[in-house]
Amino acid sequence: GESVGLHLPTLSVQEGDNSIINCAYSNSASDYFIWYKQESGKGPQFIIDIRSNMDKRQGQRVTVLLNKTVKHLSLQIAATQPGDSAVYFCAEGPHNYGGATNKLIFGTGTLLAVQP
Amino acid sequence: DTGVSQDPRHKITKRGQNVTFRCDPISEHNRLYWYRQTLGQGPEFLTYFQNEAQLEKSRLLSDRFSAERPKGSFSTLEIQRTEQGDSAMYLCASSLVGTGGNTGELFFGEGSRLTVL
Repeated sequence: GESVGLHLPTLSVQEGDNSIINCAYSNSASDYFIWYKQESGKGPQFIIDIRSNMDKRQGQRVTVLLNKTVKHLSLQIAATQPGDSAVYFCAEGPHNYGGATNKLIFGTGTLLAVQP
Repeated sequence: DTGVSQDPRHKITKRGQNVTFRCDPISEHNRLYWYRQTLGQGPEFLTYFQNEAQLEKSRLLSDRFSAERPKGSFSTLEIQRTEQGDSAMYLCASSLVGTGGNTGELFFGEGSRLTVL
């Protein structure tokens, strides 16, 4: 079936460097994408989202890029900090009326390890 | 704490026993979701409610699983005749729909970890 997956299961970066986490999706009908951060023993935490009518969206220290041509999504974290160490998941969600998603399909996840 | 709360956080049970998990969503949220997560994997969608109506169920939700949200507030997820393959983290999430400005952001709880021996 259709699925969302990640290119790299583990990413190790030095504190202060920029991090890029990649995600590939296979459902060309997907029109909404979200990045979540999950720390050990905790539930996923929303980071940033993007709709399919956009190709870039910026938040605080994070940027999400969407390339619909190759069905690729990336999360860029600027000046990575030790507190950014976690598993990062991309997720796709179809939008229905009212602009709300009714469910999310998650990828496998990438472990980001920040070295001090 | 006004976030999504789940209870119990940890449950150890023997195969064949029944277990029930409870989720209290953020109070004004009208949608409630259940997900299952195994180690190293992303959460898998199980089911979701809009108010008290269960609108979608995944094929993962076998007939041993039942979820309810009787008054449109808290929800329960019951697993009957547990099997070792049911061992996982069961995550609950909630969101607000229909009042404009909804981004699809799901707020997750900390999860209920089930271990079936």
